[in-house]
Order: sequence, then C-alpha cells, then structure tokens
Amino acid sequence: KAGVTQTPRYLIKTRGQQVTLSCSPISGHRSVSWYQQTPGQGLQFLFEYFSETQRNKGNFPGRFSGRQFSNSRSEMNVSTLELGDSALYLCASSLAEVNTGELFFGEGSRLTVL
Amino acid sequence: GNSVTQMEGPVTLSEEAFLTINCTYTATGYPSLFWYVQYPGEGLQLLLKATKADDKGSNKGFEATYRKETTSFHLEKGSVQVSDSAVYFCAPPGTGFQKLVFGTGTRLLVSP
Repeated sequence: KAGVTQTPRYLIKTRGQQVTLSCSPISGHRSVSWYQQTPGQGLQFLFEYFSETQRNKGNFPGRFSGRQFSNSRSEMNVSTLELGDSALYLCASSLAEVNTGELFFGEGSRLTVL
Repeated sequence: GNSVTQMEGPVTLSEEAFLTINCTYTATGYPSLFWYVQYPGEGLQLLLKATKADDKGSNKGFEATYRKETTSFHLEKGSVQVSDSAVYFCAPPGTGFQKLVFGTGTRLLVSP
C-alpha cells in the first residue's frame, strides 16, 4: 500500500514568488492535514481538509491557502513568498472522519526562499 | 486550545543508556495521547499511544504512561540504540478538526 506522497521534495524560490505543493494521501484516506515545520517553531498546523472542505485553519496569514480534490489529493499554495516561509511542509492523511490521532505523514516538501 | 511542552534538546546519550523525554500537556477532558518519531529525512510516524488515564503505550522498547494527575506522558526506553537517533514529538489532540498539536520536538542523539 503506497504511503503519502508529496511533491516536489525540494524547491528553491525567491521572495515574492509563489509556490504550489502537492500531496497524495494513502488510498482511501479522505482527511488531509498540512503542517509547517521549522527549527524554531516546531510543527505548526496549517489546515485540514475532508471531502474537499476545509474544516479547520491554523494561525497563518491569507497568503497560505489550500484545496482538496474529489480524489482526496490536496495542494497548498503560498503566495508572495517571504524568507520566513522557508520550512519543511508536511502533509498527513488519516482514514477516519473523526479524530483518532493517527496520522500518516509524507516525507515533506522542503522549501527554501532566497 | 490544547498545548504541549517538551524538554529542550538535543538529548545526547551513549548506546544502552536509559532515556527519558519529558512531556506535559494541557487538554480538555482526558483525550488519547501520542508520541510520534521523525527519523532523519523522513516524515513523522506514530510511535505509541495511550487512550485513557493510567494506560501505558509501548512499541519498539519505548514506553509512556498517561498520568492525568500530572498531565504528563513521558517517553522512556531502557536501553537506547544508535538507530533511535531521531526527533520525538509528544502530541495531544487538537481542538476542532486539528488532528494533533505538536511542540518543537526533542532531538535524541545516540553515540556508539
């Protein structure tokens, strides 16, 4: 059974640009969550999607957005990139609609903003 | 909302040493609690969980006991190996549809 797949794994952008990251969850998983990981802040919750609906959003500016498609694949977008957006972006999928706490993570997309 | 506090790292140990990583949390009610581990270059994976007070979760030699009186969920291992070098995250559930709340994690470095 394939795990959570995130693309691209690494990318470098410059300030002001925008970026789109993709996440394919485990087959059958309908919930997708996104987290930003930085050395100073640890893992911070970005948003969670279930059946194409964003159900919760973390405390991030509107430059961070996302969506989920009918096949449960999800994308997140960051516009007008800032240096502080450099981070590892992790996607996690889960099977249940209710929160069991068991998440399956991808290896992440490492974004560097120059 | 729910939150978690972990000990600062890195924790540096020699192989076969005893490991404790402290974790305290704040949460509404008595939720399930989790430890996740992140090996170098990988995403997080569930290490163990405890679903109710006084429950002990265990996996791969690691253990953690859910202590509601101290709101703690400390991770322990009797004899660490070099392959245990990783970042460990304690995680209570989030509020609303946020699945889990993670802290900064604790990096463990085990030397031969």
